[in-house]
Amino acid sequence: QLQLQESGPGLVKPSETLSLTCTVSGVSISSTTYYWGWIRQPPGKGLEWIGSIYYSGSTYYKPSLKSRVTLSVDTSKNQFSLKLSSVTAADTAVYYCASGNPVFHWGQGTLVTVSS
Amino acid sequence: QSALTQPPSASGSPGQSVTISCTGTSSDIGAYNYVSWYQQRPGKAPKLMIYEVGKRPSGVPDRFSGSKSGNTASLTVSGLQSEDEADYYCSSYAGSNNLGVFGGGTKLTVL
Repeated sequence: QLQLQESGPGLVKPSETLSLTCTVSGVSISSTTYYWGWIRQPPGKGLEWIGSIYYSGSTYYKPSLKSRVTLSVDTSKNQFSLKLSSVTAADTAVYYCASGNPVFHWGQGTLVTVSS
Repeated sequence: QSALTQPPSASGSPGQSVTISCTGTSSDIGAYNYVSWYQQRPGKAPKLMIYEVGKRPSGVPDRFSGSKSGNTASLTVSGLQSEDEADYYCSSYAGSNNLGVFGGGTKLTVL
């Protein structure tokens, strides 16, 4: 059974870089069956794709975030990661790691607050 | 990559049927049969309820059904139960090199 778990700081200062990791269990992150992504949800608002990464390393980013986002995969740890630079209060959200599109498997989500 | 349009709210009494619409364009819903619906209860991660317009993942009750006509997709919940009260989001594929797009969400209230 594929399971996902986000980890990372819950508080980030404005202008700094938000870094989150998603640990995958139940399958190999190198599997060609899956691809991996990040979705966020600002408090009280809807869902928004941030980006996705394939086993091959190919990445797709939301155009409006592309200049600030980096996704990567660590096959040795069966993890994938999100880095979002130059954050502002508008980046405050629950961040979900996800598998596939449509998303059959979600992490539980982690709230990241951007505040000084 | 504009968001899909959903009504902000919908409601029905137990046992009734409710349909939630999701309107896109000829570049997303109208172009592909890759519409998905997610249920999100408060404080929880979304759960996939429908994919590829009308398919249900294992474990999703057959009270949930999906359809599409032109640029509009619909989710129907039949035999409403109190546990169906949640936010529902639609999503559509919008072409290669594209993450796809979500709707703004519909809050379903069981009266």
